[in-house]
Amino acid sequence: AQSVTQLGSHVSVSEGALVLLRCNYSSSVPPYLFWYVQYPNQGLQLLLKYTSAATLVKGINGFEAEFKKSETSFHLTKPSAHMSDAAEYFCAVSDSRAAGNKLTFGGGTRVLVKP
Amino acid sequence: EADIYQTPRYLVIGTGKKITLECSQTMGHDKMYWYQQDPGMELHLIHYSYGVNSTEKGDLSSESTVSRIRTEHFPLTLESARPSHTSQYLCASSAKSGDTYEQYFGPGTRLTVT
Repeated sequence: AQSVTQLGSHVSVSEGALVLLRCNYSSSVPPYLFWYVQYPNQGLQLLLKYTSAATLVKGINGFEAEFKKSETSFHLTKPSAHMSDAAEYFCAVSDSRAAGNKLTFGGGTRVLVKP
Repeated sequence: EADIYQTPRYLVIGTGKKITLECSQTMGHDKMYWYQQDPGMELHLIHYSYGVNSTEKGDLSSESTVSRIRTEHFPLTLESARPSHTSQYLCASSAKSGDTYEQYFGPGTRLTVT
């Protein structure tokens, strides 16, 4: 079984400050890991993914995430927050050996950006 | 980029009514999914399909049913809506990208049952 824990359901950052969203996973097999962003009244959009290549993954909109196997973590960061980054962010895990890539999602972290 | 459509976007309906939430994708993806998302909560997989005439129940038990008669179409049906069905329903399809599949999401249907 797989699970995802996102620490902090809400994060508030000032515009221009570092954004750090935490994600820890549990998986009995090598995982594939994903970060998605959801803007109000919209579906989810893929930010980036880890699939066992480079441990530091760069995504869209200036976001990146680092896979740390020893810590079972896949934290998402952005050096400088922009007002447009206000959204909900979801970390997800899938079983690398299973066909179809069913995703298990974390509880989400809502990001508020203060001017 | 995948194009995936959901209708209606918003639906308010009375208890006991039968409803069908539509989901269509134009990219020819074999794999499609339905998720349920309560406000401020995580997504839970309720149904998935790996191709025509293939449907499976997901991790969260749901009273809804699905069908997959055509590759591009994956509708979800509630035979008798109840207030407990009030939620947002997200449809997704996936395509192989490198080592894994990437899921593409529709905009969702927000259902309110009164």
